[in-house]
Amino acid sequence: KNQVEQSPQSLIILEGKNCTLQCNYTVSPFSNLRWYKQDTGRGPVSLTIMTFSENTKSNGRYTATLDADTKQSSLHITASQLSDSASYICVVREYGNKLVFGAGTILRVKS
Amino acid sequence: GAGVSQTPSNKVTEKGKYVELRCDPISGHTALYWYRQSLGQGPEFLIYFQGTGAADDSGLPNDRFFAVRPEGSVSTLKIQRTERGDSAVYLCASSLGTGGLDTQYFGPGTRLTVL
Repeated sequence: KNQVEQSPQSLIILEGKNCTLQCNYTVSPFSNLRWYKQDTGRGPVSLTIMTFSENTKSNGRYTATLDADTKQSSLHITASQLSDSASYICVVREYGNKLVFGAGTILRVKS
Repeated sequence: GAGVSQTPSNKVTEKGKYVELRCDPISGHTALYWYRQSLGQGPEFLIYFQGTGAADDSGLPNDRFFAVRPEGSVSTLKIQRTERGDSAVYLCASSLGTGGLDTQYFGPGTRLTVL
């Protein structure tokens, strides 16, 4: 069973709208949690990283939250743009060096 | 500077053949990682190198898979007696170190298709 679960599996929104992607994990203990953006045919690119003690982290229009007690994270995208269309992957780093990836949420932004 | 590069970008082979996939990490990055990504899934860890040595190869699915990094820079993932189930995108990533906050930078991947 995947230790990182993401929802929804896919999402379609209109340009300019906001959206929130969810990530639940069971990896424990964990070192940090990242959100990656993966464009079609490209490798993932890191958006945000949060350690156990951090609750929120922003990167431009992207804001990630982390609740280490409930083992949940979210990625909020504000004022979406067409270029935001991609797969967004939640990644939890175990202690040591191994990353555990979620399956991703495929976001499509329509004009 | 240049990012992580991988060659070839696409590889089509027949079942039973041998393939090599190459990864050129970012210059100066000591850690190098290989992942496999199937359609609709997140990347799955295969192996990572710290310098020339494989620090963790627990993700390699079986002994048909092998990876080397002889000079601590370029790495080659080798797959023997390929099977149709090996078809996937193979991603390489590198990071400056292996600290918890070190960011892994990914290459574009090699799409392997086994017919």
